[in-house]
Amino acid sequence: AQSVAQPEDQVNVAEGNPLTVKCTYSVSGNPYLFWYVQYPNRGLQFLLKYITGDNLVKGSYGFEAEFNKSQTSFHLKKPSALVSDSALYFCAVRPGSAGNMLTFGGGTRLMVKP
Amino acid sequence: DGGITQSPKYLFRKEGQNVTLSCEQNLNHDAMYWYRQDPGQGLRLIYYSQIVNDFQKGDIAEGYSVSREKKESFPLTVTSAQKNPTAFYLCASSIIGTENTEAFFGQGTRLTVV
Repeated sequence: AQSVAQPEDQVNVAEGNPLTVKCTYSVSGNPYLFWYVQYPNRGLQFLLKYITGDNLVKGSYGFEAEFNKSQTSFHLKKPSALVSDSALYFCAVRPGSAGNMLTFGGGTRLMVKP
Repeated sequence: DGGITQSPKYLFRKEGQNVTLSCEQNLNHDAMYWYRQDPGQGLRLIYYSQIVNDFQKGDIAEGYSVSREKKESFPLTVTSAQKNPTAFYLCASSIIGTENTEAFFGQGTRLTVV
């Protein structure tokens, strides 16, 4: 069975500083990996995904993520954090076979302080 | 607009009552999912469906039921057997295939037992 771990419940960063939100996964075969963001009382918004190809994936709002197969990681990054980036971030994995559902990590709350 | 719509946004249930949460999508997606989110926790899969008239239990299906009579609709019933139904419920949909496999989420329904 697939699983996702987000080891940090909360990440604090100052505005303008780089941010990293960590994610490691376990899945059979090649993974499809995703990052979502959730604002209070809202659904999840898709940020970016890794399917195949370049290990560095760029997504919405200046976010990017790096796929590392040997470390089974897919950390989310942004070079310069904004206060408006403060939200709950979820990493998810799906096996590379069609038809299987997403498995989510427990989420990481990002707090960006002015 | 294409998207996934959940209703109502807020729902109050008396103990012992069944309630049904609506989820409709016009994205022509084959797969639909129901997740439960509790404060400070990640998303847990309740049920999912990949085709009309077929669905599978997720990790926490007890006390819930679903139907998939139409491709566009995947209602979730929270039955009186669900002992702790107060939570935020998220519906999602996705295509099934090897490309563009991210899930799209509705805005959620917050269910409170009174």
